[in-house]
Amino acid sequence: DTGVSQDPRHKITKRGQNVTFRCDPISEHNRLYWYRQTLGQGPEFLTYFQNEAQLEKSRLLSDRFSAERPKGSFSTLEIQRTEQGDSAMYLCASSLGSGGAADTQYFGPGTRLTVL
Amino acid sequence: DQQVKQNSPSLSVQEGRISILNCDYTNSMFDYFLWYKKYPAEGPTFLISISSIKDKNEDGRFTVFLNKSAKHLSLHIVPSQPGDSAVYFCAASSTYNAGNNRKLIWGLGTSLAVNP
Repeated sequence: DTGVSQDPRHKITKRGQNVTFRCDPISEHNRLYWYRQTLGQGPEFLTYFQNEAQLEKSRLLSDRFSAERPKGSFSTLEIQRTEQGDSAMYLCASSLGSGGAADTQYFGPGTRLTVL
Repeated sequence: DQQVKQNSPSLSVQEGRISILNCDYTNSMFDYFLWYKKYPAEGPTFLISISSIKDKNEDGRFTVFLNKSAKHLSLHIVPSQPGDSAVYFCAASSTYNAGNNRKLIWGLGTSLAVNP
């Protein structure tokens, strides 16, 4: 399977704990995106990487959130001191982009986070 | 402010008939539009896209129409099949973001039910 993969698929944690999610993009895709989706809503943009550089973070990302993409391959999204409001589906997408041209993002299966 | 709007939360059609899903947008800077299909607890699956320089794009049973003057696009599925039952999201991106960030702005989705 050469699609986008995410791990874990589900995570249940207690409020105040730290969690980390991993995303493996389609190989050779230079762009990687994280989104968050809550029930009844469309996905909302969180952050964007071009290769290893994090070029944009949404205002939705508080200081408790951090994302990395070392070596421009896989990416991790960490949430510190989780809150019940962090409960959502976290989606990762990758694309092969060039300059400002439009690209198609392909999504992983998502990580469902439940904070108790 | 919802920049991408899907005003029909749900749609029900008979197998073999046409399904038409609608999407409106407000941001004239959007230049690329995509439709994704989503099942519960899974990530979005890319269906079809259209650039703002075109008014129609076709792929098998799926056709997307774009009316730039009306800021409206629609997805036609012909013939509809029970396996098409899912939530369909319209998304849009713009070239006018720093770092060539093609983040997607999403509608709230339309739940399509195709009845045998």
